[in-house]
Amino acid sequence: QSALTQPASVSGSPGQSITISCTGTSSDVGGYNYVSWYQQHPDKAPKLLIYDVINRPSGVSNRFSGSKSGNTASLTISGLHAEDEADYYCSSYTSRSTDVVFGGGTKLTVL
Amino acid sequence: QVQLVESGGGLVKPGESLRLSCAASGFTFSDYYMSWIRQAPGKGPEWVSYISTSSHYTSFADSVKGRFTISRDNAKNSLYLQMNRLRAEDTAVYYCARDVGAAATRRAFDIWGRGTMVTVSS
Repeated sequence: QSALTQPASVSGSPGQSITISCTGTSSDVGGYNYVSWYQQHPDKAPKLLIYDVINRPSGVSNRFSGSKSGNTASLTISGLHAEDEADYYCSSYTSRSTDVVFGGGTKLTVL
Repeated sequence: QVQLVESGGGLVKPGESLRLSCAASGFTFSDYYMSWIRQAPGKGPEWVSYISTSSHYTSFADSVKGRFTISRDNAKNSLYLQMNRLRAEDTAVYYCARDVGAAATRRAFDIWGRGTMVTVSS
């Protein structure tokens, strides 16, 4: 069981927007602004989309945005493209003994 | 270009040891915290360990604490993971990853290698 809870799957049509949630506790998501989001295509390494809750690395499309409210962080993808179909993972710093925890992942299907 | 290349994976028996290496290029290796992150087949990533720029600070996941050690050689632009007393549940692809923040960890990883597979089985 992962420390951070994500929905197993979400779907949307091209051009639509979707949001993926990531729920933790005050010991991780809610207590610190070290929340990150990753995209992973099959047989590829994860790709960083968002760090520090809201920041995008250079080269990442502005269609990807992050936010946080309480113990829940969210990734929003606007204007869905077919190539956005992938697995998405959140992660966070945790004050528990393990420094970084990941969510269980969300499979995005673009219909 | 910025690149990380892992090596050293393979098939080992439970209780045995393995040492992974990661060769960095295209950036100033000594400026960045580095981590090892693993991903078991069909599962999500699991952070394993990080090491600070000058090796003063290290941190480990509970699942590997006391069995794994992390080290780096900034002169050789290389990162290492020594894995002892391996278990079946350590079976995974092991990725070397660069922290997005220079000089301090932000617990986010912007550069990943392609990974090296470690299989622990009798």
